[in-house]
Amino acid sequence: GEDVEQSLFLSVREGDSSVINCTYTDSSSTYLYWYKQEPGAGLQLLTYIFSNMDMKQDQRLTVLLNKKDKHLSLRIADTQTGDSAIYFCAESGVKNSWGKLQFGAGTQVVVTP
Amino acid sequence: DSGVTQTPKHLITATGQRVTLRCSPRSGDLSVYWYQQSLDQGLQFLIQYYNGEERAKGNILERFSAQQFPDLHSELNLSSLELGDSALYFCASSVGPGGTGANVLTFGAGSRLTVL
Repeated sequence: GEDVEQSLFLSVREGDSSVINCTYTDSSSTYLYWYKQEPGAGLQLLTYIFSNMDMKQDQRLTVLLNKKDKHLSLRIADTQTGDSAIYFCAESGVKNSWGKLQFGAGTQVVVTP
Repeated sequence: DSGVTQTPKHLITATGQRVTLRCSPRSGDLSVYWYQQSLDQGLQFLIQYYNGEERAKGNILERFSAQQFPDLHSELNLSSLELGDSALYFCASSVGPGGTGANVLTFGAGSRLTVL
């Protein structure tokens, strides 16, 4: 099965907060990442978190990591129409030869006015 | 513009044919990664090169091969193409080989391959 799992779709109203969830199976994962893919474009790194951290905040983005449950979430405050995209969770660590990132299937976020 | 350049952007070919996808990494990056994105399989890691040497291998078919040249650009060769090879192929680059610190990958815009 997949090493990284995400829900496939999220609909949110403009101005609300979005929360995208991700679970992973590899306990040796060292870094966890969030990437954003807009239509017709490549993946763009949003943020990442080291596995010994619980939380990381970067402007409108908040990442929460529950290492015990192997659960990662990305919260986007004050969601805007420009946030409509596919969001990918990814992990890297010893099992994946460090350099390789293992991606989830992606969560499509649709922001409605 | 991410700094990672992929050509061609779109490619349409027939089953049984061979194609080459090209990637120029971001200036200063020594690692190149190839990923395949399809609707049914998501983002699949194919292969990584670091400074000309193969570093990690993923779910790359035997019909596919890749290399990284001395100028650090990389090519992904896909042969005996099948309908199922239709996908978006991404190249990404990073400074190091991975292994110390976060491995930040910068992605190109992708090459969309359609096999008819």
